[in-house]
Amino acid sequence: QVQLVQSGAEVKKPGASVKVSCKASGYTFTAFVIHWVRQAPGQRLEWMGWINAGNGIPKYSQEFQGRVTITRDTSANTAYMELSSLRSEDTAVYYCAREAMEYWGRGTLVTVSS
Amino acid sequence: DIVMTQSPDSLAVSLGERATINCKSSQSILYSSNNKNYLSWYQQKPGQPPKLLIYWASTRDSGVPDRFSGSESGTDFTLTISSLQAEDVAVYYCQQYYSTPYTFGQGTKLEIK
Repeated sequence: QVQLVQSGAEVKKPGASVKVSCKASGYTFTAFVIHWVRQAPGQRLEWMGWINAGNGIPKYSQEFQGRVTITRDTSANTAYMELSSLRSEDTAVYYCAREAMEYWGRGTLVTVSS
Repeated sequence: DIVMTQSPDSLAVSLGERATINCKSSQSILYSSNNKNYLSWYQQKPGQPPKLLIYWASTRDSGVPDRFSGSESGTDFTLTISSLQAEDVAVYYCQQYYSTPYTFGQGTKLEIK
């Protein structure tokens, strides 16, 4: 069965960076896009970008351009999302989801606090 | 960016009654080449990731009960739950995947009256 297993919760200080992982299993990793979506407390879902797991080419939302880097490691069937220059407003649950968003990870809480 | 606007923000419906949630896109999300609206509906319960219910505006995902249905009219979309069950209490989101950045509605909180 398809599973997306995300890394654990993180607490970061303002200005730091965070890297969240998403390990895929149950399907051919390189055949699908992986999206990253975040949800701040009480806010709507926000699409951050995707990576084509086959060719490694990412696409970012302009909202996060310059601060987000999405990569993948095909040997580990894992996608990564790194967000830099963290601020308190980046406190959110970060999700990965497969291409049609029919499968989601359980989310990673990132808390940004001094 | 395409703005998705849902109404109402919250809704209370009696068990067994119909629940209707609306979503409007700020521009067309219909691809003329395949005549499909690039619109999905999700259900999210507390502490859980969103669950895909409907895609292409009206196609139920695998395993979704048939009491959930989606319809479309131009840039207006509707999610209908024909007979509300207790397990349907959740927040519902619409999302367009016509163009990046993919965007979501603000959510509609559905409760039992």
